Amino acid sequence: AQSVSQHNHHVILSEAASLELGCNYSYGGTVNLFWYVQYPGQHLQLLLKYFSGDPLVKGIKGFEAEFIKSKFSFNLRKPSVQWSDTAEYFCAVSLPFSSGSARQLTFGSGTQLTVLP
Amino acid sequence: NAGVTQTPKFQVLKTGQSMTLQCAQDMNHNSMYWYRQDPGMGLRLIYYSASEGTTDKGEVPNGYNVSRLNKREFSLRLESAAPSQTSVYFCASSEVLAGGSGAVWGNEQFFGPGTRLTVL
Repeated sequence: AQSVSQHNHHVILSEAASLELGCNYSYGGTVNLFWYVQYPGQHLQLLLKYFSGDPLVKGIKGFEAEFIKSKFSFNLRKPSVQWSDTAEYFCAVSLPFSSGSARQLTFGSGTQLTVLP
Repeated sequence: NAGVTQTPKFQVLKTGQSMTLQCAQDMNHNSMYWYRQDPGMGLRLIYYSASEGTTDKGEVPNGYNVSRLNKREFSLRLESAAPSQTSVYFCASSEVLAGGSGAVWGNEQFFGPGTRLTVL
């Protein structure tokens, strides 16, 4: 079974600082990759996703992520964070429907981002 | 278009009590899911339903049962609640997304607002 690691449990930044959150997964085959965000008291929302093609994926609110297959990584980046980016960020992996364990999302443990005004 | 809705939003139970969490989606998705979210552990899959009439266990199914009532609704039942089931429960739904050359890819899941359950 696949697993997802998010090594940064809590990140604190000042506004305008650059952000990079790490995500590594363990699975040797083709995967679908996601970043979700959960603002305080709200449900999860999709930031961006990677299925195939260009490994640099752009999402909403200025976020982007780069899929590096050789490193089994899908790190999330933003050049300049805002106070409103304070939230918990989850990386997730699923296998394509053609595989046996399809349809299940495996989540990382999450990274709490706090942006100081 | 409400997306995924869940009821109730909050619930407090005593150990041994039973309850059912309700979930409905209006996006005509085939697949639906129940997760629990605990601090430091991300979201863990309890049960899922790939399509109407089918259900399968996820990572942490013990102590729970599910019913896929119809295409729209997927309920989660705790028959005898335990303090270890104190958590935030999220329902999600998804549909097949097709990639290039006819390939079938995942699985973008849409989440409901959650139910915060406390078991005393």
